[in-house]
Amino acid sequence: GAVVSQHPSRVICKSGTSVKIECRSLDFQATTMFWYRQFPKQSLMLMATSNEGSKATYEQGVEKDKFLINHASLTLSTLTVTSAHPEDSSFYICSASPETGEVSPLHFGNGTRLTVT
Amino acid sequence: KQEVTQIPAALSVPEGENLVLNCSFTDSAIYNLQWFRQDPGKGLTSLLLIQSSQREQTSGRLNASLDKSSGRSTLYIAASQPGDSATYLCAVRGNQFYFGTGTSLTVIP
Repeated sequence: GAVVSQHPSRVICKSGTSVKIECRSLDFQATTMFWYRQFPKQSLMLMATSNEGSKATYEQGVEKDKFLINHASLTLSTLTVTSAHPEDSSFYICSASPETGEVSPLHFGNGTRLTVT
Repeated sequence: KQEVTQIPAALSVPEGENLVLNCSFTDSAIYNLQWFRQDPGKGLTSLLLIQSSQREQTSGRLNASLDKSSGRSTLYIAASQPGDSATYLCAVRGNQFYFGTGTSLTVIP
C-alpha cells in the first residue's frame, strides 16, 4: 500500500517551453503532497508543500510563478515548470502520506528527470 | 534551522559484512526519523520509520536506532548483499522534513 506514482519519469524539453509533472497517490488520499528537487550527489531540497483545494506553500527562494503547483484533487498534484531554462534541469520528486499528522511516514514517487536543452 | 549530517558519505564493503550508517541532527525536537533507500535515478523507498518516542525499529536485516537526546540515529545492515548497494538517506521530521546528504553504499560480491 501507500503507492505514489510520478509521471513522466524522464523529460527533455527546449528552453522556453513549459513542462508538467504529475504526482498521484494510487491507493490513498493525500490532502498534502510535497515537491522536492535534487541535484546530483546532493540531498533533497523541499520546494513547496501542495495542499488540496488551496494554494501551495513555497519555500524561501523558490519562485512560485516559475514552479506552478496545482492540487486539484485528493490524489493528484501537478508541478509545472514554466519557461524552463537549462538551470532548471534537475531531478524532481514528489511525496505524500496516507495519514495526517506529524508522525506519519512519507512515501515517494520515482522522480522525474528534467533536462532542458 | 535543523541540520542533518550523514557519515560516511561513501562506504564500500565486501559481501556478508555487517555495517552501520550514521545520521546526526542538530535539533532534537523531532516527531520522527525515517530511513530511505535511493537507487540511481530513482525515487526514495522508505525502509524504517522511528517515532520520537521509540528507540529502535527492525525490518528483516535492517535495524534502526534513535537517540533523540543526543541527536543520533544509526542504520544497521546485517549480512550485506550486493543488492543493498544504493544511497541511504535519513530524514527527520520537525516542522518539515529535513534530509541528510546520504551515504552511498557499495557491497562488493
